[in-house]
Amino acid sequence: SQQGEEDPQALSIQEGENATMNCSYKTSINNLQWYRQNSGRGLVHLILIRSNEREKHSGRLRVTLDTSKKSSSLLITASRAADTASYFCADISGAGSYQLTFGKGTKLSVIP
Amino acid sequence: ETGVTQSPTHLIKTRGQQVTLRCSSQSGHNTVSWYQQALGQGPQFIFQYYREEENGRGNFPPRFSGLQFPNYSSELNVNALELDDSALYLCASSLQLADTDTQYFGPGTRLTVL
Repeated sequence: SQQGEEDPQALSIQEGENATMNCSYKTSINNLQWYRQNSGRGLVHLILIRSNEREKHSGRLRVTLDTSKKSSSLLITASRAADTASYFCADISGAGSYQLTFGKGTKLSVIP
Repeated sequence: ETGVTQSPTHLIKTRGQQVTLRCSSQSGHNTVSWYQQALGQGPQFIFQYYREEENGRGNFPPRFSGLQFPNYSSELNVNALELDDSALYLCASSLQLADTDTQYFGPGTRLTVL
């Protein structure tokens, strides 16, 4: 079953603009992670935010977490064509197995 | 490049056949997880191995089985293939069992069942 649900499902922006993707989840989490996937290939880990953190930055990425609303957002600033990809949020769940539970993802297209 | 490799890249099988997919983890990584990703969906957890023992399983039937070897390689075996098994299969390795451990994904094996 899907834990996180990303919104929007698809997003198209011009190069240089900012892109914001949202993720909602159903149950309590230990941490939330964001991944990028290019053209149906392997996933690349972008950033991890712990349940006791509210905001985290990594380069052009900014992630926020609101545990009261069970939601997170990923902001990519000054987007580039190379940012075109699908973005997934995932939480680590399962006592001891630490399995990632992914949402359906947001497909981002950055137009040069 | 994550240092995780998978083979083959693509595979076509017919319904009822059996398939073995292979993954080579990063050196030193004791944990490997396998995921199935159907078209347009997020990856779904199949199972995880830690030091050659199964350490958690998702909602997949027993015809999905796995092995992890001491040389950081692993296998996913699927028996009695069904059309719905067509998907991208991803393996991911991590150093230890910890909820903050980054999982490093391979490029995936695209399986088509006809």
